[in-house]
Amino acid sequence: TQLLEQSPQFLSIQEGENLTVYCNSSSVFSSLQWYRQEPGEGPVLLVTVVTGGEVKKLKRLTFQFGDARKDSSLHITAAQPGDTGLYLCAGGGAGGTSYGKLTFGQGTILTVHP
Amino acid sequence: EPEVTQTPSHQVTQMGQEVILRCVPISNHLYFYWYRQILGQKVEFLVSFYNNEISEKSEIFDDQFSVERPDGSNFTLKIRSTKLEDSAMYFCASSEGYEQYFGPGTRLTVT
Repeated sequence: TQLLEQSPQFLSIQEGENLTVYCNSSSVFSSLQWYRQEPGEGPVLLVTVVTGGEVKKLKRLTFQFGDARKDSSLHITAAQPGDTGLYLCAGGGAGGTSYGKLTFGQGTILTVHP
Repeated sequence: EPEVTQTPSHQVTQMGQEVILRCVPISNHLYFYWYRQILGQKVEFLVSFYNNEISEKSEIFDDQFSVERPDGSNFTLKIRSTKLEDSAMYFCASSEGYEQYFGPGTRLTVT
């Protein structure tokens, strides 16, 4: 069974602060995806990383895939209240398959106070 | 921008009844998925579907569940005899590769 451990589970910060969310596993994944989910809605894809060591930037968000493709991080610079939400990591293609089911972490609830 | 759509948004049913949840994946996608999320818990994989057949299913996806692609656009999840513990948000997703795009979900409430 593949597991993704996401930390921290809750994060409460002030506007302008930086933060990092971590996603760790003992399994190797072919891809690692980060989603944002609003209450009562479906996950919205933010980014996909597929190469070990890959770094992708999306405005103030920086995503990194570990060299061994077992872990990932999401770093937000100068957080804003609009960043408040639930962030999910999800690993795909465990066990050597290219595509297939996603294994989700339990999520990080981020609250950014003005 | 293309998106995955799901109907209904909310379904209330009595225990033992059959329900069908419907999804329209993004049109050029070839891989289709169902996931569920019980309130306060992780998103869990149920089943993946490719080339008109199930490619993988989880332990949750037992004989009470089935999926179908009845035409070129719809993808359905049927629960034959619902149980209280089937109450959850059900999400459909589709992909043409690594990236999976999710629909808005159907909230299923079994009473």
